Amino acid sequence: GENVEQHPSTLSVQEGDSAVIKCTYSDSASNYFPWYKQELGKGPQLIIDIRSNVGEKKDQRIAVTLNKTAKHFSLHITETQPEDSAVYFCAASIRDTGRRALTFGSGTRLQVQP
Amino acid sequence: DTGVSQNPRHKITKRGQNVTFRCDPISEHNRLYWYRQTLGQGPEFLTYFQNEAQLEKSRLLSDRFSAERPKGSFSTLEIQRTEQGDSAMYLCASSLRTSGDQETQYFGPGTRLLVL
Repeated sequence: GENVEQHPSTLSVQEGDSAVIKCTYSDSASNYFPWYKQELGKGPQLIIDIRSNVGEKKDQRIAVTLNKTAKHFSLHITETQPEDSAVYFCAASIRDTGRRALTFGSGTRLQVQP
Repeated sequence: DTGVSQNPRHKITKRGQNVTFRCDPISEHNRLYWYRQTLGQGPEFLTYFQNEAQLEKSRLLSDRFSAERPKGSFSTLEIQRTEQGDSAMYLCASSLRTSGDQETQYFGPGTRLLVL
């Protein structure tokens, strides 16, 4: 089955700096790659997603890039703010009929220092 | 609030007891998912429903686990004869089936289970 690896496990940046989180996936059939933000005691919240027919997607300070050949995708957060501090998860979904499960990475704890 | 809701938010039980969790998806979402998340890890898929049909189950879903979605709306997840290893956050997500390959899954706040 699909395997998603995520790096780094922890990331500390100064407010205003950029943060980059990287993920690799194993199954070339995966075609959907969402990113979730999880705050303490809450469920994951979708922040951005990308499909395999697109190489990059941007939403204000957040962007995601996808390299299908290398099977990796990255989350970029610019002008970080203290409220960006949370755990971020990447995920991938395999393009099999009937398969809808998301396979998640192990998470990155982002700390934005004011 | 029109998001996914889960009840209870917290559950403490003794080993060997049965527990049941409820998930109410976003209105009109026809797909519903259950995931389990242990401390420091990403969510792991357990099972999913399209309307009332359970279409996929993970090997993580042992015989002690059963999930239902009787009317295609809310869902329940029951764990029988709980074990300490069942302690985790149980997350529910819902999505709306579209004509494309994938659709966005929206997660609820989770039910945190502690088995003593």
